[in-house]
Order: sequence, then C-alpha cells, then structure tokens
Amino acid sequence: EAGVTQFPSHSVIEKGQTVTLRCDPISGHDNLYWYRRVMGKEIKFLLHFVKESKQDESGMPNNRFLAERTGGTYSTLKVQPAELEDSGVYFCASSLGTGGLNTEAFFGQGTRLTVV
Amino acid sequence: AQSVTQLGSHVSVSEGALVLLRCNYSSSVPPYLFWYVQYPNQGLQLLLKYTSAATLVKGINGFEAEFKKSETSFHLTKPSAHMSDAAEYFCAVSDPNTGFQKLVFGTGTRLLVSP
Repeated sequence: EAGVTQFPSHSVIEKGQTVTLRCDPISGHDNLYWYRRVMGKEIKFLLHFVKESKQDESGMPNNRFLAERTGGTYSTLKVQPAELEDSGVYFCASSLGTGGLNTEAFFGQGTRLTVV
Repeated sequence: AQSVTQLGSHVSVSEGALVLLRCNYSSSVPPYLFWYVQYPNQGLQLLLKYTSAATLVKGINGFEAEFKKSETSFHLTKPSAHMSDAAEYFCAVSDPNTGFQKLVFGTGTRLLVSP
C-alpha cells in the first residue's frame, strides 16, 4: 500500500513567485492535514480537511496560503506570492479517523520550500 | 493552550548506551501524547502513543515512554542504542477531543549515535 506522497520534494523559488505543493493521501483516508516546520522550530499545524471540506484552518498563517482538496482525494497548498519567511518543510498527513485509539496519522516525507 | 518542550536539540550517545529523550508538556486537559521519528529523507513515523490507558507505553524498535502526570513528562527511552536509531525525534500532544486533528509538536531532538 502506498503511503502519503508529496511532491515536489524540494522547491526553490524567488520571492514574489507562486508555488503549489501537492499531497496524495493514503487511499481511503478522509482526513488530510497540512503541517509546516520553519527552520529549527516546531512542526506547526496548518489545516485539516475531512474529505473536501476544511474542518479547521486555524493554523494558516495568512491569506497568501490557499489549500484545496477537490473531490476529496489529493490536496494542494498554494503560496502566492511567496515571502522569505515561508521557507520551511511542509508536511502532509492523512488518517482514517480522527481520534480513536486505533487511529494513526501517517505523514509524508515533506516538501522543502526555499524562498530566495 | 497546549505546548511541548523537548530539552536538548541534540543528544549524543554511544552505541549500546541508554537513550533518554526528554519531553514535558502543558495541557489543560488529560492529553494524548505521541513520539514520532524522522529518519533521513523519510516522513514522520509514529513510534508510540499514550491515550490514557497504561502509563508505560511500548513502541516500535525497542522504544518505550512513561506518562508521568505529576511531572507532566513523557520521556522516551531505549535501553541500548543502535546506529540505526540516529534520527530526529519529535514529541507531540493533542487534546483527546481532537485526537490526531491538531497535533502540537515540540522542536525536535536529533539523536546522534557513535560507534
């Protein structure tokens, strides 16, 4: 069974440009999460989808970030326009449920975004 | 609000030595607690989790952690380090009402294992 897949694995863009990150969750997982780790700091929650609906987007830093999950399958996270402080590693995770004792969130390997 | 503190951004041990990675949490409700590991060029992998059952939790690869409410701690241990344990380890907490929906992570501890 394929795990959570993210691409690209690395992206280097100039300040002011647009970048779109993609996440393919594990098949059948209705719950999809985006997290971000800025260099040397903690991994922070960005948002949570249940199928195609945004359940919680309280962690989105500002309106330059737009997340979508059309059809409830893969998700994209667009940053437009990118700023230097957006650099970091963006993780995607998916889970079958949201909190049961046997539920686990599976993480992708992340996309390392560098804004120069 | 919940928070996690991991003492030591880097921990160095010799192969065969005890591994102890520290995690203290702050939570207004009895929390769920997790340890994740990230090996080079891989995603985060769940090592173990505490969800209000047994306070001593055993995970994969010989790791275990003990929930100590009085100390608000959830330290990760392994009796004997292997070279393959070199990785970055993250402690995380969540409100049981939200479960995996919104994990709050610590800043991570990189474990270095020397021969």
